[in-house]
Amino acid sequence: QKEVEQNSGPLSVPEGAIASLNCTYSDRGSQSFFWYRQYSGKSPELIMSIYSNGDKEDGRFTAQLNKASQYVSLLIRDSQPSDSATYLCAVNMNPTSNDYKLSFGAGTTVTVRA
Amino acid sequence: DTGVSQNPRHKITKRGQNVTFRCDPISEHNRLYWYRQTLGQGPEFLTYFQNEAQLEKSRLLSDRFSAERPKGSFSTLEIQRTEQGDSAMYLCASSSGSFYGYTFGSGTRLTVV
Repeated sequence: QKEVEQNSGPLSVPEGAIASLNCTYSDRGSQSFFWYRQYSGKSPELIMSIYSNGDKEDGRFTAQLNKASQYVSLLIRDSQPSDSATYLCAVNMNPTSNDYKLSFGAGTTVTVRA
Repeated sequence: DTGVSQNPRHKITKRGQNVTFRCDPISEHNRLYWYRQTLGQGPEFLTYFQNEAQLEKSRLLSDRFSAERPKGSFSTLEIQRTEQGDSAMYLCASSSGSFYGYTFGSGTRLTVV
């Protein structure tokens, strides 16, 4: 079992729609969760972080965390063509180790159709 | 300080040659990480430093790979006797804490021909 798993996609959504991205993780003790956006040929860029169960909203992005189900998701509302990118889920798998190391999923590629 | 800096941005080398990449982290971040990313995959952990100490190395880091962070500032990643399978994006990141995630550099894209 991979440590962090994401829907492989690609996910195609029309402009203005909601894109929903899912991620599951293997370590029940994980405490910190992040979503990165990566444009083709570029490096990952942090867009959201979440640590507590529930929803966290930042502009058009909403991250949702359910630690009991070991599940984290990202919603992109009012999707724009500029949101077309690969979205990486990252998890701090060993919070007690103090290394802050992140494990990444393989990413979900989102294409927003104009 | 404008973020994490990596050099070179691109490197094309012949199989069997040695290459060295450099990473300059955000100055106040004491933790520095190297990852490798191939097409269609997420970043894979290679190694990390806390200050100048290299505290963990992935099994992906064969004996052809070596990393240093002298004086806890910039870091270098060297690959000796490069192989075609080493072709990838090499990403450097730094962090100030577990709740802040990473700031990545722009990466070094290595192509071994």
